[in-house]
Amino acid sequence: SAVISQKPSRDICQRGTSLTIQCQVDSQVTMMFWYRQQPGQSLTLIATANQGSEATYESGFVIDKFPISRPNLTFSTLTVSNMSPEDSSIYLCSVSDGTSGSYQYFGPGTRLTVT
Amino acid sequence: GESVGLHLPTLSVQEGDNSIINCAYSNSASDYFIWYKQESGKGPQFIIDIRSNMDKRQGQRVTVLLNKTVKHLSLQIAATQPGDSAVYFCAENTVGYSTLTFGKGTMLLVSP
Repeated sequence: SAVISQKPSRDICQRGTSLTIQCQVDSQVTMMFWYRQQPGQSLTLIATANQGSEATYESGFVIDKFPISRPNLTFSTLTVSNMSPEDSSIYLCSVSDGTSGSYQYFGPGTRLTVT
Repeated sequence: GESVGLHLPTLSVQEGDNSIINCAYSNSASDYFIWYKQESGKGPQFIIDIRSNMDKRQGQRVTVLLNKTVKHLSLQIAATQPGDSAVYFCAENTVGYSTLTFGKGTMLLVSP
């Protein structure tokens, strides 16, 4: 199984600012994903981070608000831009070895509070 | 740690009881299903999976049942322990797609 780390583990930010979250995997993986988990809620997929190309965003999420980079097969970043209190959530990175029919491993998450 | 289960349905059991957590899915094209456990302050952890060509799969102390007719999935935990206290999520995947869709989640509370 892959070991995934995220930085920072938590942060408190002021509205209007941006935060970049890093996801590092200890081995090369095919797929990397970013999720949001609002307080007391389930996980919602933000986007699939594609290596060497633009991320694939889910409905309701846009690149201007959540720019994503994936420069190689072990690293990705998610930026939460122009933050508002509604962006207060846990942001989770996950990886998988395949496409369909593969489970995902999750990082520990980044707990973001926007004041 | 912070709880992610503030607004989730809760199942409360005594230590040693068997627990059953249910999940209904909506996409009849889903063909792969996973159960995750999320402890407070941590990311989801894989428990067990099942493919649509099976209706039952057993692991260590856990069993997953799949009823495709009514689009229902359940997780059975035998001899539940306090360490099983967590939020449990089902997730589904459709053939040809890499993404997972997560269910709403159930908080399991185990009393000693």
